[in-house]
Amino acid sequence: GNSVTQMEGPVTLSEEAFLTINCTYTATGYPSLFWYVQYPGEGLQLLLKATKADDKGSNKGFEATYRKETTSFHLEKGSVQVSDSAVYFCALSDQYDYKLSFGAGTTVTVRA
Amino acid sequence: DVKVTQSSRYLVKRTGEKVFLECVQDMDHENMFWYRQDPGLGLRLIYFSYDVKMKEKGDIPEGYSVSREKKERFSLILESASTNQTSMYLCASSLPAGLGNEQFFGPGTRLTVL
Repeated sequence: GNSVTQMEGPVTLSEEAFLTINCTYTATGYPSLFWYVQYPGEGLQLLLKATKADDKGSNKGFEATYRKETTSFHLEKGSVQVSDSAVYFCALSDQYDYKLSFGAGTTVTVRA
Repeated sequence: DVKVTQSSRYLVKRTGEKVFLECVQDMDHENMFWYRQDPGLGLRLIYFSYDVKMKEKGDIPEGYSVSREKKERFSLILESASTNQTSMYLCASSLPAGLGNEQFFGPGTRLTVL
C-alpha cells in the first residue's frame, strides 16, 4: 500500500535560516505528491504539489522536486520567517484514487 | 475559492453522548472526507463519500458513522462518545479522482470527551 515517511520534528530555526524537511514515499503506479501546511489554530492548506517525476512545485518561497529515482519529495526554503512556523505534512495520492496518504507531520518553529 | 466550513471549532461532550460534527462545502465537490488528527500520527481517514448517500470506510471507522444526504454536506456521528475519541477532526472535499486530487480542508473541530 501507499505510505509516506517524513522527518520527525520538532524543528527549531532562527529567522533567515535554510529549512529542509525530508519526505520519502512508497507507492504503486504514478502518484501525485503534495505538501500541506497547518498554521496554528487552522486547518490544512495546500502549499505545493507535483504530479509527475521531475516536476518542481513551488509556492511562498518553498520548493519541492518529485524524485522518482529516490522516491522523495523534500521540502526546502532558503530563508525562513517567523510566519513560517507551522506543521508541515507530506502526502501522496494515486493517480486515479481520491484518497490521500499523509505523513506524521513536522512541526517547525522559527525564532526571531 | 473553495470554502469548507465546520459547525464548531471547539466542542466538549460527556462519555456516552451522541455527537454530530457537520461539514459543508460550497464548490460542488463530489468527494468529502473526515479525518482525525493526533500528535505524532498525522491525519487518519475515518470515512469518505464519493457521492450523495455513498460512503466508504477509511482506516479507522470504528466508533463512527457518517451521513451524506446532500452533496454539500457531510456529517460525522459519534454514536456513543468515548474519551479516546478526544481529538481534532478535520473535514475535506475534492474533485473526482484524476482531476488533481487536491483536498480542501475546513478549520477543524477540537472535540474533548470527558
